[in-house]
Amino acid sequence: DAKTTQPTSMDCAEGRAANLPCNHSTISGNEYVYWYRQIHSQGPQYIIHGLKNNETNEMASLIITEDRKSSTLILPHATLRDTAVYYCIANNAGNNRKLIWGLGTSLAVNP
Amino acid sequence: DAGVIQSPRHEVTEMGQEVTLRCKPISGHNSLFWYRQTMMRGLELLIYFNNNVPIDDSGMPEDRFSAKMPNASFSTLKIQPSEPRDSAVYFCASSLAGRGTEAFFGQGTRLTVV
Repeated sequence: DAKTTQPTSMDCAEGRAANLPCNHSTISGNEYVYWYRQIHSQGPQYIIHGLKNNETNEMASLIITEDRKSSTLILPHATLRDTAVYYCIANNAGNNRKLIWGLGTSLAVNP
Repeated sequence: DAGVIQSPRHEVTEMGQEVTLRCKPISGHNSLFWYRQTMMRGLELLIYFNNNVPIDDSGMPEDRFSAKMPNASFSTLKIQPSEPRDSAVYFCASSLAGRGTEAFFGQGTRLTVV
């Protein structure tokens, strides 16, 4: 499974868009990009995933570059409740057993 | 559905005692995972079940750790005997098997071994 690289921490003003980058330069053609987040003292929460195309759901948008070597998670209007650690994971398995969790990006949304 | 349910939420035990953590996956999910999270090592997969059968237990740290899934709606993770270095938050997650599916996590059990 591809290794992912994320910034250790980021800040964002409340109400503004939060753009969280992730590099996965060794990703293979059949690996999905997953994003999870973990709010303090809670279990990880699924956000979104994609393979090649950009994806959007009620929580966020996922922009994957054409060469698939990097992606960006976009929280369009960040709120204080979006303060969490965000994990970007490249997963090749036929299930979720090979989710390799790095250290993620600690996002602080400031009032 | 109430989501993945773990019990207890907190457990404090003395070194050498047996600890049993419990998990009820989301109904209909056929994959179950046990994770451990510490500040030093982050999230680590301990064991993975598919259709109640352990498929990959390579993450189980030692023979002191064992996990069972007697049926589709219940799993246990047991530590016997427990040691202070086992102190961590243990998460259970479930999902449907297959590519492109997401895992749903419980709230975790915070274990402290003194």
